[in-house]
Amino acid sequence: AQSVTQLDSQVPVFEEAPVELRCNYSSSVSVYLFWYVQYPNQGLQLLLKYLSGSTLVKSINGFEAEFNKSQTSFHLRKPSVHISDTAEYFCAVRPGGSYIPTFGRGTSLIVHP
Amino acid sequence: DTAVSQTPKYLVTQMGNDKSIKCEQNLGHDTMYWYKQDSKKFLKIMFSYNNKELIINETVPNRFSPKSPDKAHLNLHINSLELGDSAVYFCASSQDGGGSYNEQFFGPGTRLTVL
Repeated sequence: AQSVTQLDSQVPVFEEAPVELRCNYSSSVSVYLFWYVQYPNQGLQLLLKYLSGSTLVKSINGFEAEFNKSQTSFHLRKPSVHISDTAEYFCAVRPGGSYIPTFGRGTSLIVHP
Repeated sequence: DTAVSQTPKYLVTQMGNDKSIKCEQNLGHDTMYWYKQDSKKFLKIMFSYNNKELIINETVPNRFSPKSPDKAHLNLHINSLELGDSAVYFCASSQDGGGSYNEQFFGPGTRLTVL
């Protein structure tokens, strides 16, 4: 069975500062990795994903994440956050060949002006 | 042009009642899911259907019964509602199989409040 740990339940940061949201996973098989974002009162939407290939993946709104197999991590970063980035962020893992994704408990990113 | 839609968006009801939540996806996906999100934002998978067949049935009270009339629809019926059922319920879909397991597309959620 796999598990996902998001180490911070809440990350407060000032606007234009850099941010890192941490995600570690455990799995005995190869995995696909995802970050989802949930804005207030909305459903989750995909932010970025790693399926294969380049270990650094980027989103259209400036976020990036790097798959680190040796550290079993998939941390999310943004060099300069905006107020509009305030949301809940979920890391998710899908083992290859499995219909069952596992989600982390979420990290609340709070961007202050 | 909603990809995954759910109805209703809000549902307020009394304990003991029976209610249904409907979900439809127009993405042509073959896998659909129901999730429960509690007040602490924790997401718990409840059910998953692939091509109308149940493939995941997590530890969920049997008062919850999913029904998939076709690949595009996955409804959730809840009998004898309890206070602890109050949560936001999300439907999701994905296109899987053939060795490829992809991201999920989520609906907007149904906020269920049991009084």
